[in-house]
Amino acid sequence: QQQVKQSPQSLIVQKGGISIINCAYENTAFDYFPWYQQFPGKGPALLIAIRPDVSEKKEGRFTISFNKSAKQFSLHIMDSQPGDSATYFCAASKTFSGGYNKLIFGAGTRLAVHP
Amino acid sequence: EAGVTQFPSHSVIEKGQTVTLRCDPISGHDNLYWYRRVMGKEIKFLLHFVKESKQDESGMPNNRFLAERTGGTYSTLKVQPAELEDSGVYFCASSQEIQPYNSPLHFGNGTRLTVT
Repeated sequence: QQQVKQSPQSLIVQKGGISIINCAYENTAFDYFPWYQQFPGKGPALLIAIRPDVSEKKEGRFTISFNKSAKQFSLHIMDSQPGDSATYFCAASKTFSGGYNKLIFGAGTRLAVHP
Repeated sequence: EAGVTQFPSHSVIEKGQTVTLRCDPISGHDNLYWYRRVMGKEIKFLLHFVKESKQDESGMPNNRFLAERTGGTYSTLKVQPAELEDSGVYFCASSQEIQPYNSPLHFGNGTRLTVT
């Protein structure tokens, strides 16, 4: 059972355009929603994260939009640059009793920004 | 600050052989996680150590996988005997605290395992 569904699988955007990646989750107990960026040969690196008590978080050109009622969240990359070309993963986690948690990842979106 | 280090970066073995992956977390990080990404699919949780103790091993596929964390420092993940479906990229991650919002996960570059 895939608890976090990510789309699209791949995305091509022109330089300066807006990249939008969407994720949907099923478990309403999730309380942390990060986005990770991965370059070839490297591990995923945290890009930006949000908690469900806010609807939007912006850091530079990167924005997370969060819709709790629809159980969806999305990553928007404004003014996309060729250097943004990477694989992006959404994820979600919930805090279990005992104080531990684990990230549930989406399948990833391969973004290519063309000059 | 040195990041999470994984060794080897690549491993190609035959079905039935044994492979041991190693992870050195960031110094001082009590929490160590193993994840795996099979070709084109999601990154899946395998297990979580807090210091030397296994906090959650619910993601371990079967008893062919054995993870250890000696003295709460580095960790090893052994696959014995390896099967074709074990191929994928194995990631190790570490964090200082359990709560991810205050203490995000830092991932290593992964070990690409190919079982032929």
